[in-house]
Amino acid sequence: NAGVTQTPKFQVLKTGQSMTLQCAQDMNHNSMYWYRQDPGMGLRLIYYSASEGTTDKGEVPNGYNVSRLNKREFSLRLESAAPSQTSVYFCASSEAQGQANTEAFFGQGTRLTVV
Amino acid sequence: GNSVTQMEGPVTLSEEAFLTINCTYTATGYPSLFWYVQYPGEGLQLLLKATKADDKGSNKGFEATYRKETTSFHLEKGSVQVSDSAVYFCALRYGGATNKLIFGTGTLLAVQP
Repeated sequence: NAGVTQTPKFQVLKTGQSMTLQCAQDMNHNSMYWYRQDPGMGLRLIYYSASEGTTDKGEVPNGYNVSRLNKREFSLRLESAAPSQTSVYFCASSEAQGQANTEAFFGQGTRLTVV
Repeated sequence: GNSVTQMEGPVTLSEEAFLTINCTYTATGYPSLFWYVQYPGEGLQLLLKATKADDKGSNKGFEATYRKETTSFHLEKGSVQVSDSAVYFCALRYGGATNKLIFGTGTLLAVQP
């Protein structure tokens, strides 16, 4: 019963390095999301994908890119990491875009530190 | 714009105490409202939800009522346990094109034995 799986769980990067955070869900959900969680800020949406083949910017997209590789997988890429991107990153999925009452399921998070 | 405001934490209670975590929202129209819980080292999981005015969501002894007149969705539990220690997030969501979940800042609850 995997749900939403994120890798890696922890990562330390040097400023300017690049990396990709991976996310996969096995619930056949159409919509997938990337959030970052910072102290005192709650969760802020970076990018989302309403369905396979589409992606859209959220609140804080600068410095990130995403790829919806197929229905299962949605990756987040940092091309040139900055200390301001130190955060905990969560991937989430939900059954259908456009429906207010559907639950979002979250991965366990990736703790990223940029030094 | 749409937003969610939660009471500041941390909230520290003794076991069996009554819990209230306040949540108010600003929104046009009629969003669905959610409470999510995050246990240490884990992702968020849905605790309860309400999809229209006067609905009451409940789960694991927690309750929250969708109050349109006060734009509130306060979380309550009659008797907390140590195992309830976690961060609680209030959130809202619309249907249609603006279907994103909007979260409050979270409230840390610490329950002492």
